[in-house]
Amino acid sequence: GESVGLHLPTLSVQEGDNSIINCAYSNSASDYFIWYKQESGKGPQFIIDIRSNMDKRQGQRVTVLLNKTVKHLSLQIAATQPGDSAVYFCAEKDPGAGKLIFGQGTTLQVKP
Amino acid sequence: DTEVTQTPKHLVMGMTNKKSLKCEQHMGHRAMYWYKQKAKKPPELMFVYSYEKLSINESVPSRFSPECPNSSLLNLHLHALQPEDSALYLCASRPQGGQGTEAFFGQGTRLTVV
Repeated sequence: GESVGLHLPTLSVQEGDNSIINCAYSNSASDYFIWYKQESGKGPQFIIDIRSNMDKRQGQRVTVLLNKTVKHLSLQIAATQPGDSAVYFCAEKDPGAGKLIFGQGTTLQVKP
Repeated sequence: DTEVTQTPKHLVMGMTNKKSLKCEQHMGHRAMYWYKQKAKKPPELMFVYSYEKLSINESVPSRFSPECPNSSLLNLHLHALQPEDSALYLCASRPQGGQGTEAFFGQGTRLTVV
């Protein structure tokens, strides 16, 4: 499958391959992280979340990995489908202020 | 009902106009947010309301004025905007408290300032 070690704005994968989207977060005190999917002209849609006391969480076809040592988050999508084409954002929550702050986003393009 | 409803979906306004964006949720969420999103950029936090009180203002210009009339409604009043304020304005809500709960987003209002 396709993956990126550092954040890249665009990831292009073949239908059926696995995708890995990476995100670096900024605040070591953040206690909760969310991956959102945003399709053109729509609001962000929840995909999966993870709390800071976990390293990994699995959903349907998606897995989120959290590495607090290097402040890194990744989203793995298994058997990527054309309907997965969208912009993917990670978001971190500051426990003190209650802010939910978004990362830069990665555009996932799925080739048929 | 897990929806956050924003109206209008599209808005075109002149720089001397006054308009308002509306957001409504009936999930009992006590934290509500306004975000601004420019094309190909992540949403940027503008305001946070907690239990109907403004808790965070991210140094937003005063031409944007938020209001939370009750626990289900959030407004954003706009006055004397500039063309660079054209963007997608997103509202979100989440339960207050608890370590981790997702924020639900509306579909946004596409604002064009002419």
